[in-house]
Amino acid sequence: DAGVIQSPRHEVTEMGQEVTLRCKPISGHDYLFWYRQTMMRGLELLIYFNNNVPIDDSGMPEDRFSAKMPNASFSTLKIQPSEPRDSAVYFCATTGQSTDTQYFGPGTRLTVL
Amino acid sequence: SQKIEQNSEALNIQEGKTATLTCNYTNYSPAYLQWYRQDPGRGPVFLLLIRENEKEKRKERLKVTFDTTLKQSLFHITASQPADSATYLCALDTSGGGADGLTFGKGTHLIIQP
Repeated sequence: DAGVIQSPRHEVTEMGQEVTLRCKPISGHDYLFWYRQTMMRGLELLIYFNNNVPIDDSGMPEDRFSAKMPNASFSTLKIQPSEPRDSAVYFCATTGQSTDTQYFGPGTRLTVL
Repeated sequence: SQKIEQNSEALNIQEGKTATLTCNYTNYSPAYLQWYRQDPGRGPVFLLLIRENEKEKRKERLKVTFDTTLKQSLFHITASQPADSATYLCALDTSGGGADGLTFGKGTHLIIQP
């Protein structure tokens, strides 16, 4: 398996633009997590899905953030409109019923100017 | 409030010595605790998991201890090598199955000097 795949790896955009981050989980993993990492706050859980259903989105910072998982092979995290304070590295991670560990993707480094 | 604390400053260790990293937490009752390694520009990679009823876990040169009374985990790397230089994150899970997501400390940057 190729592991968790995220795209794009880097995104530079201007304030006010819409940003869409993408994640392809490891096949067979039925939990998917979106995290954000900054120097100030470290790694924070934003939202997670189980069997494509959002379970807990209490970490989503504002209504500008939304996440979807239309099928078991794909998830998106959207920021609209983006702001400079959204600049961070966004990670997708997955896990399955048979494992207690999480497998992280390489992350998307987002810079909002 | 809930808090996870790791050494915020970089830890410099001489090659061949044992590196010991600390993770303290308050107001959590974790079912288990995990340690991850993160290299620059990459996602965290799982290293070890220790459950609340376990005192110690080993894997090759790595050892983790878990004291639920002290609310502390220690992570040891014996016979350290420059390739062990990275940021090490501890993470708490309160669900016992990774199902609720993990709460991470900010990590300790470990530097192994040749």
